[in-house]
Amino acid sequence: DTGVSQNPRHKITKRGQNVTFRCDPISEHNRLYWYRQTLGQGPEFLTYFQNEAQLEKSRLLSDRFSAERPKGSFSTLEIQRTEQGDSAMYLCASTDLNEKLFFGSGTQLSVL
Amino acid sequence: GEDVEQSLFLSVREGDSSVINCTYTDSSSTYLYWYKQEPGAGLQLLTYIFSNMDMKQDQRLTVLLNKKDKHLSLRIADTQTGDSAIYFCAERRDSNDYKLSFGAGTTVTVRA
Repeated sequence: DTGVSQNPRHKITKRGQNVTFRCDPISEHNRLYWYRQTLGQGPEFLTYFQNEAQLEKSRLLSDRFSAERPKGSFSTLEIQRTEQGDSAMYLCASTDLNEKLFFGSGTQLSVL
Repeated sequence: GEDVEQSLFLSVREGDSSVINCTYTDSSSTYLYWYKQEPGAGLQLLTYIFSNMDMKQDQRLTVLLNKKDKHLSLRIADTQTGDSAIYFCAERRDSNDYKLSFGAGTTVTVRA
């Protein structure tokens, strides 16, 4: 499978717990993006990496959110002290700098 | 609110053509995209158009771009039940960046 892979597909957690999601981009894609999508809305940009460098973070990315891409391959997105408002689909995307941005299937987070 | 605007719903009879409309905000946007999202899934890239083009056709899909009015449309010919999904329009404002700004999506329902 050469697509963008995200794990887990679904995560249910209690408010206040920490969660971590993983994204494996398409092999050799050097740019990796994280988006968040809430019900009835389009995806909103959170952050992106060029190789291992995090180049931009949205104001949507509060201090409780941290993303890493330590070796320039897979990336993790961690949310600390989750809140109910964090419930959303978290989407990862990658590109090799042609015109196309490819998305994974997302991780659906539910905070109870 | 969303910078990219789309109508929320479209109902179409199987075999007819669907036309989904979008207005975007930035006249300097370099590329405009159409993505498809089925329930519980990520975003599938359908097609995209460079801003110096007026039209692009790809099998059953036709994209029309009116740069003066900042209006984009996606026409799906011979609509099938498998075309039922949410369709997102997105603009890419920076030629050096792959950050996309999405509309809220148009839910297309195909009826027999």
